[in-house]
Amino acid sequence: DGGITQSPKYLFRKEGQNVTLSCEQNLNHDAMYWYRQDPGQGLRLIYYSQIVNDFQKGDIAEGYSVSREKKESFPLTVTSAQKNPTAFYLCASSRPQDNEKLFFGSGTQLSVL
Amino acid sequence: GQNIDQPTEMTATEGAIVQINCTYQTSGFNGLFWYQQHAGEAPTFLSYNVLDGLEEKGRFSSFLSRSKGYSYLLLKELQMKDSASYLCAVRDVLNRDKLSFGAGTTVTVRA
Repeated sequence: DGGITQSPKYLFRKEGQNVTLSCEQNLNHDAMYWYRQDPGQGLRLIYYSQIVNDFQKGDIAEGYSVSREKKESFPLTVTSAQKNPTAFYLCASSRPQDNEKLFFGSGTQLSVL
Repeated sequence: GQNIDQPTEMTATEGAIVQINCTYQTSGFNGLFWYQQHAGEAPTFLSYNVLDGLEEKGRFSSFLSRSKGYSYLLLKELQMKDSASYLCAVRDVLNRDKLSFGAGTTVTVRA
């Protein structure tokens, strides 16, 4: 079955540490996205990529980095520069044939130790 | 940017009907989506509206009025499994067609 896989489900970060969240899809979608979800707030876009080897900053990119070396993979690194990283992180993908509706992974809950 | 407003919480009884409203302000409207999200899980697609009118899909319907910047999601014959957060999202062609999300409406279905 096709889908989006995020790992790990739960992740803990120590002060000053960089951590990487994995996102893999086998839907053959060109576009991939990373969102951050905080309680009481809407999903906020961190980074997105519409094609391999290209990505764009979203609304809250500071303190994060991404890469898109393969169509299937779009990992997100939360760097030590992100001072408030505790949140639920969602990866998504889309394709034009579906009106670019988003297909989401199951999410990663990141917490700071 | 967009302002997307939806109520924070709603409670309804099993078998009843609930209407979740969403208002938005955007310069280049290019579609509105509704997603359902159970706690700790991925949002799943419910509906898409780009033209005015009502889209019906089983127990769920979604309505759009572009002139009023208004949409609603109608949930009929409520079931306990419908307890979830419902997210309204708007696509703006002037924002590179990216989606902006409302904060979500938590619906609680009581027996």
